Parts: sequence; structure tokens; C-alpha cells
Amino acid sequence: QKEVEQNSGPLSVPEGAIASLNCTYSDRGSQSFFWYRQYSGKSPELIMFIYSNGDKEDGRFTAQLNKASQYVSLLIRDSQPSDSATYLCAAPSGGSYIPTFGRGTSLIVHP
Amino acid sequence: NAGVTQTPKFQVLKTGQSMTLQCAQDMNHNSMYWYRQDPGMGLRLIYYSASEGTTDKGEVPNGYNVSRLNKREFSLRLESAAPSQTSVYFCASSETSVGETQYFGPGTRLLVL
Repeated sequence: QKEVEQNSGPLSVPEGAIASLNCTYSDRGSQSFFWYRQYSGKSPELIMFIYSNGDKEDGRFTAQLNKASQYVSLLIRDSQPSDSATYLCAAPSGGSYIPTFGRGTSLIVHP
Repeated sequence: NAGVTQTPKFQVLKTGQSMTLQCAQDMNHNSMYWYRQDPGMGLRLIYYSASEGTTDKGEVPNGYNVSRLNKREFSLRLESAAPSQTSVYFCASSETSVGETQYFGPGTRLLVL
């Protein structure tokens, strides 16, 4: 079992809807959580970073942490076709301070 | 400010050949990483360098070696390529290695025949 788990999808949502992406982690000691976006054929780029002390909103993106259930969510409001990409969740795990990446969730926003 | 650069962008090797993937960053970051990405497997850490002069194994180090040449450059070497090493290789850097954002290079697509 991977230490950071994501549903591979694809998650398909209509344009303008809210896309909800989830990620579970196994290390209760994780203090920081990352969401990266990766377009097909491109490299990952950071879109959200939260600490264990609270949720974070940045424009259309909101990252929420549920420490009791050990999952972190990424909400994308007013989804656009340009949001279609794979979203990678990462968190330090297994006692390492280097983030472990999940396998990613493919998001498709259709017009 | 180019960020993280990688060379080459694409390479075809025959089984048993060797090659070195080059990575450089101009952000004055202390930590650098090499990942491989395979379909359905996500990003897996091969080696990392927390600071200049140090290197450590990651999740999948077998068949690879690394050199942290200086603060800017971190190279990955395949001594005897195998078809199982066909993958996309990403180099990344971060200011430190403790819970910091990683910045990725554009990747190298490697095909081993």
C-alpha cells in the first residue's frame, strides 16, 4: 500500500462545476501537504501548499485537511477546460521529510 | 532565470549502454532530487541531495548513480541501461529538504531498447 493514495480517475465534471479531489495519507506525523498540477507531457507545478494547522484558499482553489480521517482535499470552483490535467498529492511519510507522491487523479472538465 | 533545466530532452539507448542525465538549477536551492515517472505509478524518488556534498538513496535507486557536482548541478547516471529503465525522468530542486515546495525541470524521456 502506497503511503499517499489517490483515486486515479478520471474525474469528469462539466465546466463551471466544483471539482473535488481527495488524497489519503498514512503518516499521522505529516505536517505539510502539497497539490501539484501536471498537464499531459509536462512537468508538475505546485498549485497549493498547506500546513497541518488549517485550510487554505487561493483564488478558485481550496485545500482542506481532515487530520482525524487522514485525508486532504482539493476543491476547484468554477472549473474550466484549462483545469483538465492530472493532480498529484504529496506529503512527507515514513519518517522522511521528503514528500511522497500519490499516483495522481486525472481531471477532465468538459464544456 | 531559467529555473530547473535538464538535458537531454529525449534519448534512445540500447540495453547495456550508459548515459548521464544532466540537471542544473539557478535558484540557489540547497536540495535537489531525481524522480522517475511511469504510467500509473506516479513520481518515485530515485536519489536526492539534501545539500551540496551529500547524496542519499530514495525509493528506487537500483541501477542508478548520482553526483552532486556543485550547488547548481545534480547528475544521474545509468551505467548499464535496461528496458525497465524506460521512463520519464524529472529533476527537481527545493530551498531546503524539509517540507519545501519542489520545482521541477521539463523532464527527460528515455527509451531503452
